[in-house]
Amino acid sequence: GQNIDQPTEMTATEGAIVQINCTYQTSGFNGLFWYQQHAGEAPTFLSYNVLDGLEEKGRFSSFLSRSKGYSYLLLKELQMKDSASYLCAVRGSGSARQLTFGSGTQLTVLP
Amino acid sequence: DTAVSQTPKYLVTQMGNDKSIKCEQNLGHDTMYWYKQDSKKFLKIMFSYNNKELIINETVPNRFSPKSPDKAHLNLHINSLELGDSAVYFCASSHPPGEKQYFGPGTRLTVT
Repeated sequence: GQNIDQPTEMTATEGAIVQINCTYQTSGFNGLFWYQQHAGEAPTFLSYNVLDGLEEKGRFSSFLSRSKGYSYLLLKELQMKDSASYLCAVRGSGSARQLTFGSGTQLTVLP
Repeated sequence: DTAVSQTPKYLVTQMGNDKSIKCEQNLGHDTMYWYKQDSKKFLKIMFSYNNKELIINETVPNRFSPKSPDKAHLNLHINSLELGDSAVYFCASSHPPGEKQYFGPGTRLTVT
């Protein structure tokens, strides 16, 4: 099975940098995703890592260490619209490549 | 154009009733999913179909029955609704299985 841990809540200030951590313990690993979900809306894809290292995409970056079972999402130059829940999801190694989601980190950006 | 659509958006019903939620995607994807998101915002996979074949069937009461008439549609029928079924149900699609998923807007089901 999969066990995924994320902090429940985080608060940061507009313009700052915030790092959201995700640790996982899995019986099979085949990639890690980050999704953003605004209140009352659908999750939307942010980033994907399958190899160790940093993936950068504009203000958002995601890092993966497979040996440590650890990932983080880095958000730079925070904006008010970044207030949302950030979901870490691990893809299993079975043929269905099923995603298991963490419970999400609710980020609040303050002015 | 809406990529993944669901109907209805809101569904309020009484315990014991039977209801259906419909999902359609126009992305040309082969794989579709149903997720349940409870009040604690935990998003959990229920079912997945690839090319109309069931590939994921998690531990879900058999009151829940998915149906995929074609690759673009995945419906969810729920019999004998219970209070604990109250949640937001999201449909999603991807190509191939396990790749970046596109989610529908969700159906908020309230059972009274």
